[in-house]
Amino acid sequence: DIQMTQSPSSLSASVGDRVTITCRASQGISNYLAWYQQKPGKVPNLLIYAASTLQSGVPSRFSGSASGTDFTLTISSLQPEDVATYYCQKYNSDPLTFGGGTKVEIK
Amino acid sequence: EVQLVESGGGLIKPGGSLRLSCAASGFTFRSYSMNWVRQAPGKGLEWVSSISSGSSNIYYADSVKGRFSISRDNAKNSLYLQMNSLRAEDTAVYYCTRGDCTGGLCASDYWGQGTLVTVSS
Repeated sequence: DIQMTQSPSSLSASVGDRVTITCRASQGISNYLAWYQQKPGKVPNLLIYAASTLQSGVPSRFSGSASGTDFTLTISSLQPEDVATYYCQKYNSDPLTFGGGTKVEIK
Repeated sequence: EVQLVESGGGLIKPGGSLRLSCAASGFTFRSYSMNWVRQAPGKGLEWVSSISSGSSNIYYADSVKGRFSISRDNAKNSLYLQMNSLRAEDTAVYYCTRGDCTGGLCASDYWGQGTLVTVSS
């Protein structure tokens, strides 16, 4: 099975900072990669699909990119409401594996 | 408005069975894949199972294969998860999610509020 390694597992940044989260696939998955945001005590929310397509209604400060088997979620200017855990998920084939998550906090 | 409402969770002894249901509304249910995703207390997300729009493609995580069975009734706009031989490690919130495709392998664009399954003696 393809493994999804997400890093870092947690980070603390200041409001306005640029934040980058990485997900690495152990094999090629084309662009079949989604990013989700889960705020504390809430249900996960789809942010990005197809590696770089922003889901409707998601703020434009979120973006996704891909380079080979490395995928990146970027928050261009961190806001207090972005405190959450972020997960990547591959969906090119089963199993539809999630990454381990990245907890983002405000410094 | 898309709504997914799970039911059927609860406390069950190890080895027991439980059937989760998900009632869908606000979209053409028969045109979308559906999924079950779970989250153990304080842990990350774990994909459990997916079913294509017409039930022709069904997928399971290795951790539940042979014990869980996903199904859907497009006439009733409902998704199900039959869980047998439950173990303590199946304890989690189970989310019903809509897949943004028909074939069964896709991202989840809508999530229900989840139903808690607790497996304990």
